[in-house]
Amino acid sequence: AQSVAQPEDQVNVAEGNPLTVKCTYSVSGNPYLFWYVQYPNRGLQFLLKYITGDNLVKGSYGFEAEFNKSQTSFHLKKPSALVSDSALYFCAVRGTTGTASKLTFGTGTRLQVTL
Amino acid sequence: DGGITQSPKYLFRKEGQNVTLSCEQNLNHDAMYWYRQDPGQGLRLIYYSQIVNDFQKGDIAEGYSVSREKKESFPLTVTSAQKNPTAFYLCASSISIMTEAFFGQGTRLTVV
Repeated sequence: AQSVAQPEDQVNVAEGNPLTVKCTYSVSGNPYLFWYVQYPNRGLQFLLKYITGDNLVKGSYGFEAEFNKSQTSFHLKKPSALVSDSALYFCAVRGTTGTASKLTFGTGTRLQVTL
Repeated sequence: DGGITQSPKYLFRKEGQNVTLSCEQNLNHDAMYWYRQDPGQGLRLIYYSQIVNDFQKGDIAEGYSVSREKKESFPLTVTSAQKNPTAFYLCASSISIMTEAFFGQGTRLTVV
């Protein structure tokens, strides 16, 4: 069965500092990986995805993520955090074999950016 | 204005009643999904559908039912068999099973 782990319930960072939100995964076949952001009482917004190619993926709002196959990780990063980045972040994975149509999410990491 | 519309935004249900949550999309997407979100548990997949007239159970399908009679619609029924239905329900769709999913704004269901 495929799974996603987000080991940190919350990440705190000062505005202007770099941020990292961690994600590791387990899946059959090659992974399709995604990051989403959720603001209170709203749906999820797509940030970025890795399908194939360059291990460093750039997405919306200055976010990027690095795919590491050997460590089965897909950490979300941003060089300089903003207070407005404070939200709940979800990592998700699809496999390419078996029940490939299932999109499995992690439990989420709350990012708190302070002045 | 393209997108995914979930209705209603808030829904209250008495114990023992069935209730149906609406999800409509005008993005011409083939795949649609229903997730349940509880605090600290992330999103858990209830049902998903790759094409019209076809759907599969997700990880927590017990107490729920769906239909996919039209490409743009994927309603979810929460039955009285669902023991703990109070949650935030999210519908999503994607062009295919291999692409990113786009989400509606959610329905918050409360059992009273």
